[in-house]
Amino acid sequence: KAGVTQTPRYLIKTRGQQVTLSCSPISGHRSVSWYQQTPGQGLQFLFEYFSETQRNKGNFPGRFSGRQFSNSRSEMNVSTLELGDSALYLCASSFSGTETQYFGPGTRLLVL
Amino acid sequence: GDSVTQMEGPVTLSEEAFLTINCTYTATGYPSLFWYVQYPGEGLQLLLKATKADDKGSNKGFEATYRKETTSFHLEKGSVQVSDSAVYFCALSDSGGSNYKLTFGKGTLLTVNP
Repeated sequence: KAGVTQTPRYLIKTRGQQVTLSCSPISGHRSVSWYQQTPGQGLQFLFEYFSETQRNKGNFPGRFSGRQFSNSRSEMNVSTLELGDSALYLCASSFSGTETQYFGPGTRLLVL
Repeated sequence: GDSVTQMEGPVTLSEEAFLTINCTYTATGYPSLFWYVQYPGEGLQLLLKATKADDKGSNKGFEATYRKETTSFHLEKGSVQVSDSAVYFCALSDSGGSNYKLTFGKGTLLTVNP
């Protein structure tokens, strides 16, 4: 069974631009969560989607948004990028959100 | 709110040494507890988990026991290998609630020397 896949793996953007990251969950998983990992703040929860509905959101500004499609694939978008948005963005999937979450390899975003 | 505290690293050991990484938690409800491992340049891999008090999770020689009375989930391995060098994260999920998220500790960098 294929694992969680994330595209692209690496991304370089400049301040003020926007970016869209994609995540394909494990087949049959309907919950997708996103996390931001930085050296200073560690792993922080961004949001979680299930059946195209956002069920929980972390403490991030409105520039961070996401969505989920009917096939459970998910995207997250960051608008008006800031230097501090440089991070590894991890996507995780699970059957319904309350069981074990399985992580993808992440997208490393560098904002210049 | 929920929180996880794990021992500060880095931890440096010689091959075949005994490993303990301490993890304690604060949570409402009845959390499930996890250890994830992150190798350089990669995402998180589930190492082991426990879903209720007194459960022992184990995998690849690593073990951790869910201790409700001490709110702890310490990770142990009897004999570490160079290939165990990685960052280890303790995490909890409030499976009795509806927040659908993992709360992580800050991670512990383990380096094993030959």
